[in-house]
Amino acid sequence: EAGVVQSPRYKIIEKKQPVAFWCNPISGHNTLYWYLQNLGQGPELLIRYENEEAVDDSQLPKDRFSAERLKGVDSTLKIQPAELGDSAVYLCASSRQGADTQYFGPGTRLTVL
Amino acid sequence: EDQVTQSPEALRLQEGESSSLNCSYTVSGLRGLFWYRQDPGKGPEFLFTLYSAGEEKEKERLKATLTKKESFLHITAPKPEDSATYLCAVQAGDSWGKLQFGAGTQVVVTP
Repeated sequence: EAGVVQSPRYKIIEKKQPVAFWCNPISGHNTLYWYLQNLGQGPELLIRYENEEAVDDSQLPKDRFSAERLKGVDSTLKIQPAELGDSAVYLCASSRQGADTQYFGPGTRLTVL
Repeated sequence: EDQVTQSPEALRLQEGESSSLNCSYTVSGLRGLFWYRQDPGKGPEFLFTLYSAGEEKEKERLKATLTKKESFLHITAPKPEDSATYLCAVQAGDSWGKLQFGAGTQVVVTP
């Protein structure tokens, strides 16, 4: 079974530029999560999707961050404009509907210069 | 507010030297406690889920236990390939789907 796929793996941008991250969850997993992980810290939840619906986006900074999961499979997380403090690893995870265990992708390491 | 504290922050072991990692938590109604392993440049890899005090789970050289206030991850006779950061996370009963992570314990096992 293929795992969670994320791209790109690395991204370097100038501040104020836009950036987007893509995630393809494990086949059959209806629930998708985006996390942010700062260096030396554990991941922090940004948003959770059940199929196409964002059911928990309370931690998503909505002034510059947006996310979508149009067909209930792939998802995109966008930052516009990026700030220096956005440098971090952005992780995508997925789980079967109603299941507790979340499976993580390899992450996208973002560097904002 | 839910809180997860892991100790120590870092641990250096000789190959074969057993040790334990601690995860203390404060949560309103624990639904589950999770252990993950994270290698540099990779995403967290699921290890265990514990649901109730007294529960234990084992996988190779790892054994996780749970009490009402903390969880331990015991590493028995570690090998260099056990070097990684071990993350603990809790899920509260009223926050299904949201994992609250600790900062992790970085383990280095030397030959």
